[in-house]
Amino acid sequence: SAVISQKPSRDICQRGTSLTIQCQVDSQVTMMFWYRQQPGQSLTLIATANQGSEATYESGFVIDKFPISRPNLTFSTLTVSNMSPEDSSIYLCSVERPRRGMNTEAFFGQGTRLTVV
Amino acid sequence: GQNIDQPTEMTATEGAIVQINCTYQTSGFNGLFWYQQHAGEAPTFLSYNVLDGLEEKGRFSSFLSRSKGYSYLLLKELQMKDSASYLCAVRDSNYQLIWGAGTKLIIKP
Repeated sequence: SAVISQKPSRDICQRGTSLTIQCQVDSQVTMMFWYRQQPGQSLTLIATANQGSEATYESGFVIDKFPISRPNLTFSTLTVSNMSPEDSSIYLCSVERPRRGMNTEAFFGQGTRLTVV
Repeated sequence: GQNIDQPTEMTATEGAIVQINCTYQTSGFNGLFWYQQHAGEAPTFLSYNVLDGLEEKGRFSSFLSRSKGYSYLLLKELQMKDSASYLCAVRDSNYQLIWGAGTKLIIKP
């Protein structure tokens, strides 16, 4: 298993401001994943964060809006920049670990519930 | 495009059995996962299928048919604590997880 500590758990922010979400893993991992989950919708991958290189962003997500840091193998941050009400969502960090009998299993942080007003 | 379909919401009675279906169209297949997500919490792993057939784990079972692009999660002896969303996810040929929108399961006494 993996223990992932994500904070803040929730925040209410003014539009136009930025929020940085932190994710700490209990052991080293090569890749960390950042997801967004809007109400009633599926998990959407924002980007994959690799230590020592720039994050890889999925279609529809750009670095200027969602800058990511990955300073070491156990920590990453996601910043939601210049927020608007459309950014209100749950943001989740995730890592994958090998699991007996399968390739890898995804583990998630507790999530950050963001409300932009 | 890649797509995972599952019902939006289902209702069942405590002590009964419920089957949650998932159909998928993805570019390649490297396994199918079911996750449980209680309201306000992160998803947690339930089951994994990569070969056709039924995987049983206590009250929960998961079935896969790769030729049909179909899976189901079967929950037996339902308990109130089983009220949650159940997410189906497929790992594609790029080893990326593609997620369904989730099925909200409501358990009534």
